[in-house]
Amino acid sequence: DAGVIQSPRHEVTEMGQEVTLRCKPISGHNSLFWYRQTMMRGLELLIYFNNNVPIDDSGMPEDRFSAKMPNASFSTLKIQPSEPRDSAVYFCASRRQGNQPQHFGDGTRLSIL
Amino acid sequence: RKEVEQDPGPFNVPEGATVAFNCTYSNSASQSFFWYRQDCRKEPKLLMSVYSSGNEDGRFTAQLNRASQYISLLIRDSKLSDSATYLCVVTPGGKLIFGQGTELSVKP
Repeated sequence: DAGVIQSPRHEVTEMGQEVTLRCKPISGHNSLFWYRQTMMRGLELLIYFNNNVPIDDSGMPEDRFSAKMPNASFSTLKIQPSEPRDSAVYFCASRRQGNQPQHFGDGTRLSIL
Repeated sequence: RKEVEQDPGPFNVPEGATVAFNCTYSNSASQSFFWYRQDCRKEPKLLMSVYSSGNEDGRFTAQLNRASQYISLLIRDSKLSDSATYLCVVTPGGKLIFGQGTELSVKP
């Protein structure tokens, strides 16, 4: 079975550029989560969706970050404009609804120069 | 106070040792609990769920104490391959909150 698929795996770009991260959750999973991981702050929940609807975006750092889930099989996390402090590993995870564990994608390693 | 707090690491132990990690959480509404393992530069992977009565999976034992709001993970007969960061997870209101993780290094 295919797991959570994220793209790109790595991205290096200059500050001020728009960055779009993509995620395809596991088929049949109803919830999708976006996380950011850094050495200093650990794994932070940015936003999560249930049935394509954003439920909690309180972790989104600021207005430069936005996330969408237009259908059950695709989500994007966009940063515009990007800044060096956005450099981190961004993980997408999905799970079936209820008290189930999450399954993570391989992550996108983002470097903003 | 952070929603989830874990033992500070790193833990450096010899092969064969028994090691225990603790994790405390602040939101009593949390219903499900998990331990994840994360290897360097990899994604977190589910190690085991934590059940109210405690549960065991081979060398790994997880315990939950709702009254004191903490969960624990015990690793017996540790192997070199157990070296990783261990993350505890709680689920207040449907979202999964991760602890900072505890780094374990098992030495020969």
